[in-house]
Amino acid sequence: QVQVVQSGAEVKKPGSSVKVSCKASGGTFSRNAISWVRQAPGHGLEWMGGIIPVFGTPNDAQKFQDRVKITADESTRTVYMELSSLRSDDTAVYYCATSAGGYYAMDVWGQGTTVTVSS
Amino acid sequence: DIVMTQTPLSLSVTPGQPASISCKSSQRPLHNDGKTYLSWYLQKSGQSPQLLIYEVSNRFPGVPDRFSGSGSGTDFTLKISRVEAEDVGLYYCMQSLQLPITFGQGTRLEIK
Repeated sequence: QVQVVQSGAEVKKPGSSVKVSCKASGGTFSRNAISWVRQAPGHGLEWMGGIIPVFGTPNDAQKFQDRVKITADESTRTVYMELSSLRSDDTAVYYCATSAGGYYAMDVWGQGTTVTVSS
Repeated sequence: DIVMTQTPLSLSVTPGQPASISCKSSQRPLHNDGKTYLSWYLQKSGQSPQLLIYEVSNRFPGVPDRFSGSGSGTDFTLKISRVEAEDVGLYYCMQSLQLPITFGQGTRLEIK
């Protein structure tokens, strides 16, 4: 069974970038889809994009296409999500989650990374 | 994008009583492999979401059998046969037939 651990909380200034990591251990890595889902305070879940490491090409939600960069490092079993041009409404908890074999049900979730954007 | 609409947005249930949450999708999340990629999640306060049900009606390992999923086409339902105090939280449906993956708005379950 895969387990994932995310990097720690971040505080960023508006206009800057943040890079959050998601490290997998156990189970299969390369053929799983790793998605990034965010939750702004008091709001629901929003899929930002994902990647299947063996294919390498990320899939991004159109809303974030110009600002998000999702990459995978198979050697360290780590997926990264970088969000640029941060705004105050990017303040949220960012989760990574895995789906076995493709973009299916997300069966393993990280603990979440709080990103606060404030001047 | 496929829009997922949940009702109700909140419900208050007496322990031991049943609960039901509806999820309607703007398109059928039916893949040409014959599977319907509709799943349900519970997010307890301060925790990450957890998978309850996948492919409409399959309970994820470890999920109590009081949880069940059903539906077809564009209408889906999550049922809890006898609500317990530990079931409190936000419930989300999600479609993963088509990218972008989309979630319902969430339904808050409270205990009376």
